[in-house]
Amino acid sequence: QKEVEQNSGPLSVPEGAIASLNCTYSDRGSQSFFWYRQYSGKSPELIMFIYSNGDKEDGRFTAQLNKASQYVSLLIRDSQPSDSATYLCAVKYDYKLSFGAGTTVTVRA
Amino acid sequence: DVKVTQSSRYLVKRTGEKVFLECVQDMDHENMFWYRQDPGLGLRLIYFSYDVKMKEKGDIPEGYSVSREKKERFSLILESASTNQTSMYLCASTLGSRVPEQYFGPGTRLTVT
Repeated sequence: QKEVEQNSGPLSVPEGAIASLNCTYSDRGSQSFFWYRQYSGKSPELIMFIYSNGDKEDGRFTAQLNKASQYVSLLIRDSQPSDSATYLCAVKYDYKLSFGAGTTVTVRA
Repeated sequence: DVKVTQSSRYLVKRTGEKVFLECVQDMDHENMFWYRQDPGLGLRLIYFSYDVKMKEKGDIPEGYSVSREKKERFSLILESASTNQTSMYLCASTLGSRVPEQYFGPGTRLTVT
């Protein structure tokens, strides 16, 4: 099983701050990387994917990929209480995704 | 929008029972997946299928089997349920390997007593 590690959390940030989530992976050949958000009691929903080194921005979310360091991160700017959830990092291998255990984020109003 | 549905949201079964969990997607996706999710362990892949009647073992296939007789439907079977199979079961699908983003169903919380 391919390893995907996330910072354990939980992460508590004040409203309006930046939440920073980190993920490392073991297989240097991985090409596709995903961030999912999962609210309590709900299924994961895809929020971003990134294939190339560098940054990818989508609204308040920025994904950063560094393949040399085998590292992918997610920044949430201007955090809102609605961002309180567990964030899952996933890495594609062949047909499959390997998921990290998730980081729980709580945004304090 | 992609729609992935699962047959039950909550299910309670007894040890030794045969359990069927069904997943249906309506977007003509090629690949379908079954995961279980447990606290602290994240999502673990049980089985996946990349075509009708094709199946591949994931990371934790023991105690499970699957069936894919039609493209839109992927069933997970617990041949003889055990208490350690109490978990949240999530089905997902993707259009194909070139479009790898997975879309999840709502999940089935299975309790085996």
